[in-house]
Amino acid sequence: GQQVMQIPQYQHVQEGEDFTTYCNSSTTLSNIQWYKQRPGGHPVFLIQLVKSGEVKKQKRLTFQFGEAKKNSSLHITATQTTDVGTYFCAGRSGGYQKVTFGTGTKLQVIP
Amino acid sequence: GAVVSQHPSRVICKSGTSVKIECRSLDFQATTMFWYRQFPKQSLMLMATSNEGSKATYEQGVEKDKFLINHASLTLSTLTVTSAHPEDSSFYICSAGLLAGEETQYFGPGTRLLVL
Repeated sequence: GQQVMQIPQYQHVQEGEDFTTYCNSSTTLSNIQWYKQRPGGHPVFLIQLVKSGEVKKQKRLTFQFGEAKKNSSLHITATQTTDVGTYFCAGRSGGYQKVTFGTGTKLQVIP
Repeated sequence: GAVVSQHPSRVICKSGTSVKIECRSLDFQATTMFWYRQFPKQSLMLMATSNEGSKATYEQGVEKDKFLINHASLTLSTLTVTSAHPEDSSFYICSAGLLAGEETQYFGPGTRLLVL
């Protein structure tokens, strides 16, 4: 079945440093979504990418969808303590557009 | 934004009992809702897709007789964990799309189930 892996699994950064998480799918995706989950909370939708090579920005966050639509990345510039949480990518593919969540990257920001 | 609620937020039950979890879309209608489970420090695993007015579609490896899903209306889907066992203890989360075919999913706050 489809697998969606994320690296790294954990990342500790000093506040102000940049952070990147990478998402890789075993199959071609029709689109990819990114979510943020705070400790004890539920996933919150961040963004959706649809087009090959698409790049979208939200303030300090930059999202990219690979040309082959099998990988994606999330880059945070100048991290803040409010960025703490686990970031999941979720790829959609298949006959009925099943969503498969990535393994997640847990970000810890050290003040 | 769209709001999805879940009830209860937390439940503790004895082994062998059944537990019902409700998922409601509060300010929109959802033709399709999704049920996930999440083990501690792990990712979300899609269990089933709940379709209003028809049978749910279960993912491979998910027992349909154990996890009963009923999508009674466009704003309510229920997940019943039948004859719960300790290994069913998990965080169960539902999500719903704003419109039919809408890609964005709005997640409920989740239900933490502990089976003793």
